[in-house]
Amino acid sequence: NAGVTQTPKFRVLKTGQSMTLLCAQDMNHEYMYWYRQDPGMGLRLIHYSVGEGTTAKGEVPDGYNVSRLKKQNFLLGLESAAPSQTSVYFCASSYPGQGSPEAFFGQGTRLTVV
Amino acid sequence: AQSVAQPEDQVNVAEGNPLTVKCTYSVSGNPYLFWYVQYPNRGLQFLLKYITGDNLVKGSYGFEAEFNKSQTSFHLKKPSALVSDSALYFCAVRDTPRGKLIFGQGTELSVKP
Repeated sequence: NAGVTQTPKFRVLKTGQSMTLLCAQDMNHEYMYWYRQDPGMGLRLIHYSVGEGTTAKGEVPDGYNVSRLKKQNFLLGLESAAPSQTSVYFCASSYPGQGSPEAFFGQGTRLTVV
Repeated sequence: AQSVAQPEDQVNVAEGNPLTVKCTYSVSGNPYLFWYVQYPNRGLQFLLKYITGDNLVKGSYGFEAEFNKSQTSFHLKKPSALVSDSALYFCAVRDTPRGKLIFGQGTELSVKP
C-alpha cells in the first residue's frame, strides 16, 4: 500500500526558478492538503482541495499555486522561488467521513532555495 | 476560525515516568481533535483522535488523550515513557469532518534513560 507519495523528496532551486511538487494518493480520498513545516512554526496549511477540480487557500498561500485535475493527484507549484520558501513540504489526504476524518501524510519534500 | 496551541516547545521526561503533552484548541462548534507524531526526517504518523463519546481516547503505542470540553484541552498522555517515544508531537483540530485541518506548533518530547 503506497498511501501518499510525494515527488521529489529533495530539491535545490535558485531564486526565481519554478518547480512543481507532485502528491499522489491511492486511497480514493476526497480531500488533499499541502503544508509547509518550519522550525518553531509547526505545520502551516498552504492550500487544500475538497475534491477533483476544486482548490482553496489555506493559512499561507502567497507565492504558491495548486491544481487538482485528477482525484488522486494534487500539485503544488512555485512560479518564482524565493529563499523564504525554503522549507519541508508535506502533502496529506483524508476522507471527509464522520468516523474517519484523520489525515494521512506523505514523507515530505525538502526544498532549499538559494 | 479554529486554532490550536501547544504551550510547551519541549517536554523532558525520565524513562518509566508518566508523560503529558499539552494541547488547547479553539473552534466554533464541536471539535474533531487529533494527535500526530513525527520522527526525525519522517512524515507525520496518526496516533489517536477524538470525535465524540468517551473523553479518554486510546491510541497507538500506548498513548491516550483526555478531552476536556470546559477547558478546551486535549492533552496527550502515557503512563510510562520509553526512550523510543522521543519525537515531535503535533496536536490538530477540525471544526467539522469536512473542515480544514489546523496544527499546533509542535512539542519536542525527550525521554532520557
